[in-house]
Amino acid sequence: NAGVTQTPKFQVLKTGQSMTLQCAQDMNHEYMSWYRQDPGMGLRLIHYSVGAGITDQGEVPNGYNVSRSTTEDFPLRLLSAAPSQTSVYFCASSPQTGQGRTGNQPQHFGDGTRLSIL
Amino acid sequence: AQSVAQPEDQVNVAEGNPLTVKCTYSVSGNPYLFWYVQYPNRGLQFLLKYITGDNLVKGSYGFEAEFNKSQTSFHLKKPSALVSDSALYFCAARRAAGNKLTFGGGTRVLVKP
Repeated sequence: NAGVTQTPKFQVLKTGQSMTLQCAQDMNHEYMSWYRQDPGMGLRLIHYSVGAGITDQGEVPNGYNVSRSTTEDFPLRLLSAAPSQTSVYFCASSPQTGQGRTGNQPQHFGDGTRLSIL
Repeated sequence: AQSVAQPEDQVNVAEGNPLTVKCTYSVSGNPYLFWYVQYPNRGLQFLLKYITGDNLVKGSYGFEAEFNKSQTSFHLKKPSALVSDSALYFCAARRAAGNKLTFGGGTRVLVKP
């Protein structure tokens, strides 16, 4: 019963490096999302996806790319890391949101990736 | 744009006393409202939600929340707090027809023995 799995758990990067944060879920959820958590600011939505092949921007998308080639995986890519991207990143999934029967389901969160950029 | 406010950064309460964590929201149309709890070095865990119906919603671990449409509030409550309730609590909201969930800044709860 894995739920949402994020790797790595910790990462230190140098400014300008690139990397991919991995997220996988085994619940067959259509909706997946990435958040960053910074002190006093709650969680802010970076990108989200409502199904394979479909992605959209959230509140703070600059500097991040995503793709959704399968239902299970939703990787987040940092193209050129900056110190402002030091944060804790959370991936979440839920059944498809909308006005359908599953539209009110809560999100399931991974345990996060703690990213430091020097 | 939708927003969620949690006016208290931290709430201190003695074990056995009532616990209240405040949340107000701004969402166009009918809101879906959620409370999550976060323990150290873990992801968020779902506590309860308001979708429609009764204004008093009961959730996990003895928590409940009261939806007040006129005050646009969704305060989290627990009648008798436990030391193990010490954690970071987040309120979240989105439009019923929307895909984006907006979180408040979080409230740290410290329950003292």
